[in-house]
Amino acid sequence: NAGVTQTPKFRILKIGQSMTLQCAQDMNHNYMYWYRQDPGMGLKLIYYSVGAGITDKGEVPNGYNVSRSTTEDFPLRLELAAPSQTSVYFCASSYSANSGANVLTFGAGSRLTVL
Amino acid sequence: ELKVEQNPLFLSMQEGKNYTIYCNYSTTSDRLYWYRQDPGKSLESLFVLLSNGAVKQEGRLMASLDTKARLSTLHITAAVHDLSATYFCAVDVNRDDKIIFGKGTRLHILP
Repeated sequence: NAGVTQTPKFRILKIGQSMTLQCAQDMNHNYMYWYRQDPGMGLKLIYYSVGAGITDKGEVPNGYNVSRSTTEDFPLRLELAAPSQTSVYFCASSYSANSGANVLTFGAGSRLTVL
Repeated sequence: ELKVEQNPLFLSMQEGKNYTIYCNYSTTSDRLYWYRQDPGKSLESLFVLLSNGAVKQEGRLMASLDTKARLSTLHITAAVHDLSATYFCAVDVNRDDKIIFGKGTRLHILP
């Protein structure tokens, strides 16, 4: 199994450009998450999804959009890139075990720079 | 809104010493997770704590959860250089599957 696959690994955007960060998982997990990581700030939740067709805002959703048309894929869209969106983005997935545990499996990350 | 606070944010310690990292959170939750991140890498799960009084141990690391105090601790015993990493706690908000992370504790263990 590949686990959680993120593409691209690196990208440089100009201010105002748009792009989509791709995230795919092959573990049949129903939950998927997008986080951004800025130095010294930990991980901030952008959006999450508890199943196909269902998405919800996290802590920092402004400037981003998501969709979840299949269980496997959870793309993150940046419509008008701004320098404040320069960050490392992590996608994660999980399933809710009978115990209630919701342990995240993370992708390798996508480093985005907006100039 | 849930706040998750870790302290210290940076810790430099000698090999062989013991230390504790603290994770406080602001709202009711009985599901807390600890993750490790090596520089330039992704995060990997260390511990899952699902009830008040839960204690988990792996090697030189031990995690515990006090849901009444809204506090989790990660204790390091006789630190070794390989434990140098950033450690994050994360809390599941009232079982609604929104998982919020602390800022992380960057641990640097000196030989």
